[in-house]
Amino acid sequence: TQLLEQSPQFLSIQEGENLTVYCNSSSVFSSLQWYRQEPGEGPVLLVTVVTGGEVKKLKRLTFQFGDARKDSSLHITAAQPGDTGLYLCAGGPAGNNRKLIWGLGTSLAVNP
Amino acid sequence: GAGVSQSPRYKVAKRGQDVALRCDPISGHVSLFWYQQALGQGPEFLTYFQNEAQLDKSGLPSDRFFAERPEGSVSTLKIQRTQQEDSAVYLCASSAQAGNQPQHFGDGTRLSIL
Repeated sequence: TQLLEQSPQFLSIQEGENLTVYCNSSSVFSSLQWYRQEPGEGPVLLVTVVTGGEVKKLKRLTFQFGDARKDSSLHITAAQPGDTGLYLCAGGPAGNNRKLIWGLGTSLAVNP
Repeated sequence: GAGVSQSPRYKVAKRGQDVALRCDPISGHVSLFWYQQALGQGPEFLTYFQNEAQLDKSGLPSDRFFAERPEGSVSTLKIQRTQQEDSAVYLCASSAQAGNQPQHFGDGTRLSIL
């Protein structure tokens, strides 16, 4: 059974601080996706990384896929209150009939 | 709109009643997923369709849960003889092709069992 461990589970920081969220697995994924979910809404895709070592930037968010495609990180620089939400990682196993493997999520609160 | 649509947004039912939750995926999307989500946690997989075929129903918690997608588009998740532990947000998602591709989510149905 493939698992994706996400940490930390909860994070409360002050506006302007930096933070990193991690997703780790012992399994190799063909892709790793990051989503953000706000209360009362469904998760929204932020980015997909597919190549080992790949780094993608989305404004103040930096996403990295591990060289071995088993882990990923999300780094937020100078967090803003608008970054508050639930961050989810999901690994895509190889194979068209396979389903995503989800992390448990990181609940981020950025205090003004 | 062009996104995934779920209805109703909120459902309150008495214990023992049957409920039906509807999902309209993005037009043309092949894969459709149902998830159950507890507050502050990630989505837990329930079942997965590719077109009208239910490829995986391993996440359905009991035989009271049943999902269908008869024409390969709209899907219904039915829960029979509801229990209090069924209270949760039920999310539907679709993806254009395979099940391991990025998913587009609806805003969910919040189910409360009294």
